[in-house]
Amino acid sequence: SYELTQPPSVSVSPGQTARITCSGDALPKQYAYWYQQKPGQAPVLVIYKDSERPSGIPERFSGSSSGTTVTLTISGVQAEDEADYYCQSADSSGAVMVFGTGTKVTVL
Amino acid sequence: QVTLKESGPVLVKPTETLTLTCTVSGFSLSNARMGVSWIRQPPGKALEWLAHIFSNDEKSYSTSLKSRLTISKDTSKSQVVLTMTNMDPVDTATYYCARIDWYHYYYGMDVWGQGTTVTVSS
Repeated sequence: SYELTQPPSVSVSPGQTARITCSGDALPKQYAYWYQQKPGQAPVLVIYKDSERPSGIPERFSGSSSGTTVTLTISGVQAEDEADYYCQSADSSGAVMVFGTGTKVTVL
Repeated sequence: QVTLKESGPVLVKPTETLTLTCTVSGFSLSNARMGVSWIRQPPGKALEWLAHIFSNDEKSYSTSLKSRLTISKDTSKSQVVLTMTNMDPVDTATYYCARIDWYHYYYGMDVWGQGTTVTVSS
């Protein structure tokens, strides 16, 4: 079945930029979505349709796409951004959704 | 205010069938291009998408779990039901339901329930 691959962990100092990648063969043709999940909480949608930001999500969160890789960028990382991040997309059929393997962001 | 709430058994035995209900409020399951997804997360592990259903009754299932899952909705009760057959201890997880507002977010899930924990054990 289809898989989306993320790095297990990313470490970043406060104020620096964190970049989280997500790779999958169908990404050139399917939108990607990103979620932030803090311990004991439900996930929160932070990016949809590759690069759109829902209302209420800080501008420091941005998304981009290039070929088979999509990237979530957190600019000027704050301590409160420490969390697990998951990408989501569809397989080549467009109907079956898949989550990425998840990336733990640690703020040093 | 849009809310979703999961309900179902806390404990199920191996081989039993799990039935989970997602009760929604603040929007209607009959609204055009509104949908609900089910997602699960085993302890300490990643999110796993299970299924979704839309207002027009369009359904889709996880490729690996398709044979065990059935999703349905009761618009009059504002509920979406997921059944999973032949439960196994590896199915122990927190199960979430989440809204899909296709017109605004396409397949992004913009509002999530708090989750319900299901343990599979004899």
